[in-house]
Amino acid sequence: DSGVTQTPKHLITATGQRVTLRCSPRSGDLSVYWYQQSLDQGLQFLIQYYNGEERAKGNILERFSAQQFPDLHSELNLSSLELGDSALYFCASSVRPGNTEAFFGQGTRLTVV
Amino acid sequence: GQQVMQIPQYQHVQEGEDFTTYCNSSTTLSNIQWYKQRPGGHPVFLIQLVKSGEVKKQKRLTFQFGEAKKNSSLHITATQTTDVGTYFCQGAQKLVFGQGTRLTINP
Repeated sequence: DSGVTQTPKHLITATGQRVTLRCSPRSGDLSVYWYQQSLDQGLQFLIQYYNGEERAKGNILERFSAQQFPDLHSELNLSSLELGDSALYFCASSVRPGNTEAFFGQGTRLTVV
Repeated sequence: GQQVMQIPQYQHVQEGEDFTTYCNSSTTLSNIQWYKQRPGGHPVFLIQLVKSGEVKKQKRLTFQFGEAKKNSSLHITATQTTDVGTYFCQGAQKLVFGQGTRLTINP
C-alpha cells in the first residue's frame, strides 16, 4: 500500500460526459502529480501541484483541468470525453516537488463508450 | 523540451538470463529515478541516482548513472519470473517518464 488513495477505481461513461477523479496523497506529501497511461503505453505526465498551487504542466488537454485543495487532496476533471480518453489515470505524490521519490496510487481506469 | 528515451521497448528473455534497459536524456539530468510497474499494477519506486558515475545495487539489480548525467542503465542479473513488468526511468524537471521497457520472461 503506497498510501495514495484514488477513487473511483473504475469508471465507465459515455462520450461527451464529464467526470471527476479524486486523489488523496500520502500523509505529509505536499506535491501531487497526475499521469495518463493508455493501453500498452507509457506514463504521460499531465499536471503537477505543490501545496495547492499548479507547479508544472505536461501534455494536458484543454478539456482537462485539475486542482489541489487546502487539505491537499486533488481532483482531475475530464470533460467532453472522447473514446480516446479511455485510459488508466494515476495520481502520485511526493514530499517535495522536483525529481524525487513519488508514490503512486492504484489508478482509476476510465472507459469511455 | 526535455526528453527521456528508453530502449529497448520490449525484451523477452529466458529465466536466468540477464537483462538491461537503457535510459538516455537529451539534456543533463540533476538526478534520475527508476520505477517498476507489474502487469495490472501501479509504478513502484526502485531507486534514485544523483551523482555522476554513481552505481547502486539492490540484490540482482544494478543501477548506473552516466558520467555526463545524460544516461542511465538498469541491469538485472539472472532474471526470475518475479522480475516481469515494465521498467521506467524518470529524470526531468516535470517528472517526465521514459517510454518504459517491458520485460517478459520465459520460465
